[in-house]
Amino acid sequence: QSVLTQPPSASGTPGQRVTISCSGSSSNLGSNYVYWYQQLPGTAPKLLIYKNNQRPSGVPDRFSGSKSGTSASLAISGLRSDDEAVYYCAAWDVSLSGAVFGGGTKLTVL
Amino acid sequence: EVQLVESGGGLVKPGESLRLSCAASGFTFSTYNMNWVRQAPGKGLEWVSSISHSTNYIYYADSVKGRFTISRDNAKNSLSLQMNSLRAEDTAVYYCARGGDAVVVAQAWFDPWGQGTLVTVSS
Repeated sequence: QSVLTQPPSASGTPGQRVTISCSGSSSNLGSNYVYWYQQLPGTAPKLLIYKNNQRPSGVPDRFSGSKSGTSASLAISGLRSDDEAVYYCAAWDVSLSGAVFGGGTKLTVL
Repeated sequence: EVQLVESGGGLVKPGESLRLSCAASGFTFSTYNMNWVRQAPGKGLEWVSSISHSTNYIYYADSVKGRFTISRDNAKNSLSLQMNSLRAEDTAVYYCARGGDAVVVAQAWFDPWGQGTLVTVSS
């Protein structure tokens, strides 16, 4: 059972907009930034969003993040087939004194 | 180009020890916090440990506390993870990841990640 809660799966058709949610508590999302990672099949995770809504250079603006209270979400617009991956949210938990991840959401592009 | 290359993984028996290394290049290693994150086969990501650039701050997941030790050698641009009393549930790919913020170690900002090294604990 992960400290951060994500839906196990999500799907959409090419060009569509999809949203992945991440739910936490006051000790993690409620008091720290959320980060999002993309893991393509067979590869290492890659940072997608940092500090709630910032995109690293090279990440398309089709990806956006937001956070409100103890919940966060990742939105992907203009869905493409190469967006098929597992997406993880993460945050620092002050009660655990460590980083925590969501269980991951497998995105399928139909 | 920033590069992180892990090594040291392998097959060990329960109760045995293993030492992982991560060679860093392409950035000023001594100014960045560093981390280990693992992923069991077919499972999600699990944070393992973090160390500040000056080694003043070190954090461990409860699942490895007392068994694993993180360390770094800034002169050699190297990060290590000493793993003792290994258990079957420690079987995973272990990733080395740079902290995204050169100041604050207590955050889940990992960028970039190495390619990982597989540790298998089995009798």
